[in-house]
Amino acid sequence: GAVVSQHPSWVICKSGTSVKIECRSLDFQATTMFWYRQFPKQSLMLMATSNEGSKATYEQGVEKDKFLINHASLTLSTLTVTSAHPEDSSFYICSATGLAWGSAYNEQFFGPGTRLTVL
Amino acid sequence: GENVEQHPSTLSVQEGDSAVIKCTYSDSASNYFPWYKQELGKGPQLIIDIRSNVGEKKDQRIAVTLNKTAKHFSLHITETQPEDSAVYFCAARRDQAGTALIFGKGTTLSVSS
Repeated sequence: GAVVSQHPSWVICKSGTSVKIECRSLDFQATTMFWYRQFPKQSLMLMATSNEGSKATYEQGVEKDKFLINHASLTLSTLTVTSAHPEDSSFYICSATGLAWGSAYNEQFFGPGTRLTVL
Repeated sequence: GENVEQHPSTLSVQEGDSAVIKCTYSDSASNYFPWYKQELGKGPQLIIDIRSNVGEKKDQRIAVTLNKTAKHFSLHITETQPEDSAVYFCAARRDQAGTALIFGKGTTLSVSS
């Protein structure tokens, strides 16, 4: 299937700092990207949906001023966790959909995730 | 919006046995149902999916069945092996552009040899 990469794979930061996570679709154009958060031993919870060139749509309970999402191109979306606190420590996973290899369906491909630890 | 329930939360089987994980969904308009396997510290990997125009799909030891009337779908793994041990997630969504997958809570499968 199509490849989605994330960078960095893990990051440790001090409380109060901001952290940027990149999500790239390597071999297809991602018309829509999604950001999920996963706490230990829990499921993936959808945070927001972003379409290229548009503002992201956030799920209820997700602070848009804290989790800034930018989807400036068809291959790159970024999630910036602003003024991070220990409770923001989590596994962040991006996902992208698009027409890969002429597929008739909007397949959803997942990145490998980014482990964020806020001290 | 969509809500997906998944059972059981944990499942322990002996190597060679079969494992079945069940999910129900709430949105009758959902028509795409994938299953993911997630290993510790990694992103989810698609193992099989089914769309609502079919009732069953099989890929070697893995099969998925769908009952659209009852709004439930199941994952069947036969001849389980220790390397099948992982967390499995079901998901559902409408198969239209811009719609995100909604996940079940996951099932931790342990296969002992």
